[in-house]
Amino acid sequence: EAGVAQSPRYKIIEKRQSVAFWCNPISGHATLYWYQQILGQGPKLLIQFQNNGVVDDSQLPKDRFSAERLKGVDSTLKIQPAKLEDSAVYLCASSFDRGFTTGELFFGEGSRLTVL
Amino acid sequence: KNEVEQSPQNLTAQEGEFITINCSYSVGISALHWLQQHPGGGIVSLFMLSSGKKKHGRLIATINIQEKHSSLHITASHPRDSAVYICAVRLMDSNYQLIWGAGTKLIIKP
Repeated sequence: EAGVAQSPRYKIIEKRQSVAFWCNPISGHATLYWYQQILGQGPKLLIQFQNNGVVDDSQLPKDRFSAERLKGVDSTLKIQPAKLEDSAVYLCASSFDRGFTTGELFFGEGSRLTVL
Repeated sequence: KNEVEQSPQNLTAQEGEFITINCSYSVGISALHWLQQHPGGGIVSLFMLSSGKKKHGRLIATINIQEKHSSLHITASHPRDSAVYICAVRLMDSNYQLIWGAGTKLIIKP
């Protein structure tokens, strides 16, 4: 079974530029999470999708961050314009959840963003 | 009060010691996850529990639903076990929302 795929693994941009990250969850996984992890801190939820619907985006800085999950499969997270404080690892996770049955969590390797 | 509390926050032990990390929660859950993150590394799922006990190699995870408490044990600890261990719970609703503990930073000295 293929894991959660993320790309790019590394990205360096200058502030005010834009960047996009892509996540392809494990096939059949309805739940998809995007997390931001700043060095030395725990992951912070940016957005959670259930299929192609948003469950929680309360911590997504919507003035500069956007995310979509068209067709309920892969997802993109965009930052425009980037700020220095956006330097972090962006983690994607997915799980197979149906009804009230919760599935295992699977994480991608993350996309490390450096904003100069 | 946080909905998911982990203890200890930091733990340093000698190689070979038996390690216990605790997680208490105050919400209704459908499952509890134990996760591991090595320094500079990605996050790996160790266990998903909804009842009882699970074992994988030197790792053992238990959960007591009535007491809303889970423990992660490491037997014969090794320096490669040094990592942050995170407890996360799935809320008992249909949105599969996840609440994370703050993590326990474990250092095993040779």
